[in-house]
Amino acid sequence: GENVEQHPSTLSVQEGDSAVIKCTYSDSASNYFPWYKQELGKRPQLIIDIRSNVGEKKDQRIAVTLNKTAKHFSLHITETQPEDSAVYFCAAVGSGGYNKLIFGAGTRLAVHP
Amino acid sequence: NAGVMQNPRHLVRRRGQEARLRCSPMKGHSHVYWYRQLPEEGLKFMVYLQKENIIDESGMPKERFSAEFPKEGPSILRIQQVVRGDSAAYFCASSPAGADTEAFFGQGTRLTVV
Repeated sequence: GENVEQHPSTLSVQEGDSAVIKCTYSDSASNYFPWYKQELGKRPQLIIDIRSNVGEKKDQRIAVTLNKTAKHFSLHITETQPEDSAVYFCAAVGSGGYNKLIFGAGTRLAVHP
Repeated sequence: NAGVMQNPRHLVRRRGQEARLRCSPMKGHSHVYWYRQLPEEGLKFMVYLQKENIIDESGMPKERFSAEFPKEGPSILRIQQVVRGDSAAYFCASSPAGADTEAFFGQGTRLTVV
């Protein structure tokens, strides 16, 4: 079945360092890959997304890369700040032609001052 | 635009009672998705609905759970005879048509079964 694996489950970095979170997906038909940030007790919020027709996308300190051949995509956060601390989820759109999201298990990022 | 509205935000039910969770999609969105998030876990797809139609309910437990999205009014996720294992955050998301469009999430309903 459709599956998204996410690593690591926890990540601790010093303020100013970079953080990288990696995901792999199983459905070769997936063509949309969003990343969500979820703070404690709040809703998931989209921080960046990438579609299969590009290999990389950047938005200020956040970038995402996609390797469709390897079915692998990654989130890169540079110059981390304490307010980046949250749980990050990758997702892939499942098959069927609609926006059914298959989520990874999440990465708890802690940025220490 | 008020965004995706879910209510109630918090719901406490005793074992055996019914829980009704409501979701109003963003204005102009006719596609609604329900996800469940167990404590310390990721979000799991439950069901996808369009107005008056269930399109994909492959993530919905076969018993006690049902969903609807009537022509008028919000989408409803109904859980009958709740058990402690139903305690979770239930999120609704809406999006325009298409498979690569942003999904907007509501604030969620946190269900606690006591």
